[in-house]
Amino acid sequence: QKEVEQNSGPLSVPEGAIASLNCTYSDRGSQSFFWYRQYSGKSPELIMSIYSNGDKEDGRFTAQLNKASQYVSLLIRDSQPSDSATYLCAVEPDKLIFGTGTRLQVFP
Amino acid sequence: DTGVSQDPRHKITKRGQNVTFRCDPISEHNRLYWYRQTLGQGPEFLTYFQNEAQLEKSRLLSDRFSAERPKGSFSTLEIQRTEQGDSAMYLCASSWEAHDNEQFFGPGTRLTVL
Repeated sequence: QKEVEQNSGPLSVPEGAIASLNCTYSDRGSQSFFWYRQYSGKSPELIMSIYSNGDKEDGRFTAQLNKASQYVSLLIRDSQPSDSATYLCAVEPDKLIFGTGTRLQVFP
Repeated sequence: DTGVSQDPRHKITKRGQNVTFRCDPISEHNRLYWYRQTLGQGPEFLTYFQNEAQLEKSRLLSDRFSAERPKGSFSTLEIQRTEQGDSAMYLCASSWEAHDNEQFFGPGTRLTVL
C-alpha cells in the first residue's frame, strides 16, 4: 500500500514567519511530487511541483525534495493570514496519492 | 473560463437513488481523473482516463460506480443505488500527460445521501 504521511496539525505561525510543512512517502519509485492548497469547502489548488532532488522556489514558496530520505517539504516565507488553509502533499506517477493534509493557521 | 468545470456543484439525494455527475476538463488536456474526498482526509483516487480509454479503476470502487468519457472530452461519473457512505466531495481533475502530468482540479460536486 503506497502511503503519504503528513502531520495533520494545526501548525500555527505568526504573520511574517516561515511555515514549514513536511511529508514522507513510502514508494521509492515515485518521481513526481506536488503541493496543493485547499481552503475550507473548496477544491485543491496546485501551488508547487517538484521532480528532482533539491530546492525549487516560486515566490514565497520553496519545495524541497530528498528522494533518498523519501521526504518532501514546503516552506512558506513571510506567511500571511490568507495562507491559512490545509496543505496537501501528493505523489504520483499517473494517479495522485495524497496525504491527509496539514492545517496551517497564520495569526496576525 | 478555461478551468475544469463540474456539474452539479451540490446534489442531495435519497438512499437508493442513482446520481450522475459531469466533468468538463481543460480543453487541451488528454487525461481526466476522478477523486473522492471526505472530511479530514485527502482526496482518494477513483479512476482515470487517457483520451476515451479508462486506464485504471481503484479496487476500492464498488460495482455501483461507473465512469465514462465517450469522446475523450467530458466525463460522467454515475453512482447507482446510493448509500449514506457515498456522501463526499467528488473531485475531477485534468492534466496534459506531456506536461509533467500536473493535475488541476475542478470545484467539485458535494453529494449528500439522506
